[in-house]
Amino acid sequence: EVQLVQSGAGVKQPGESLKISCKTSGYSFISYWIGWVRQMPGKGLEWMGFIYPADSNIKYSPSFEGQVTISVDRSITTAYLQWSSLKASDTAMYYCARRPYSTAYYHFDYWGQGALVTVSS
Amino acid sequence: SSELTQDPAVSVALGQTVRITCQGDTLRSYDASWYQQKPGQAPILVIYAKNNRPSGIPDRFSGSTSGNTASLTITGAQAEDEADYYCNSRDRSGDFVFGTGTTVTVL
Repeated sequence: EVQLVQSGAGVKQPGESLKISCKTSGYSFISYWIGWVRQMPGKGLEWMGFIYPADSNIKYSPSFEGQVTISVDRSITTAYLQWSSLKASDTAMYYCARRPYSTAYYHFDYWGQGALVTVSS
Repeated sequence: SSELTQDPAVSVALGQTVRITCQGDTLRSYDASWYQQKPGQAPILVIYAKNNRPSGIPDRFSGSTSGNTASLTITGAQAEDEADYYCNSRDRSGDFVFGTGTTVTVL
C-alpha cells in the first residue's frame, strides 16, 4: 500500500526555521517524483515544486524558488520541505504528493495527509 | 506561467449530471487531471491524463477536453460528491499548474 505520512507541523514564530517531513512507503521511492503543495486557509492549491529522488533533480515553482528548500533522504525514503526564516504569510497546510516519473503524466496520484504550519508571534 | 480558470461554484440536484470546466491555453497542448477535496481532507485524484480513472474512483466521474477547455463530468451526482474540485496540467516550461477550484454543492 502506497503511503505518504507527513510530520513536523506546528506553531512557529516569525523568523524561525522549520523542516517538515514526508515519509513514504509501499513503492520504489526513487522511481517517482515527490511534490509539495501549499493551501493557504480557505484558498486553493498551489504547486511549490518537486524533486526526483533518484538524482535529486528539483524543479521549483517560480513563486517559491528561493523561499523554500526541497530535499530527500533516500536511505529513509523521506522528502523534506524547509524554511530558513518563516513569515506569517507561510501559514498554511502543506501537502506532499507523489507524481509518476514519465513526462506524459503530470498529476499527483497519492497525497500525504497534510501538515499545518502556523506562524504567529 | 500559465493559468487555469474554473467557475467558483456549481450546484447539482441529487442524481443529476454536472460538468465542471477548466479553461487555459495550456490545455491545447497538455492533458488535464482532476482532484476532489472534501473539507479537512487531502485532495484525491479522480481523473488523470484527460480521462483515466484511478482504481477505486466510481465510473460516474469522467473527463474530456475540447480546445482550451477541460471538463470533469459527474453523471448521477451523489451526496458524497459534494466537495471542491481542482484541475491541473502543466505548462511549456514543465511547471505544474492548478486550476482555481470549483465548489460543487449537491442539492
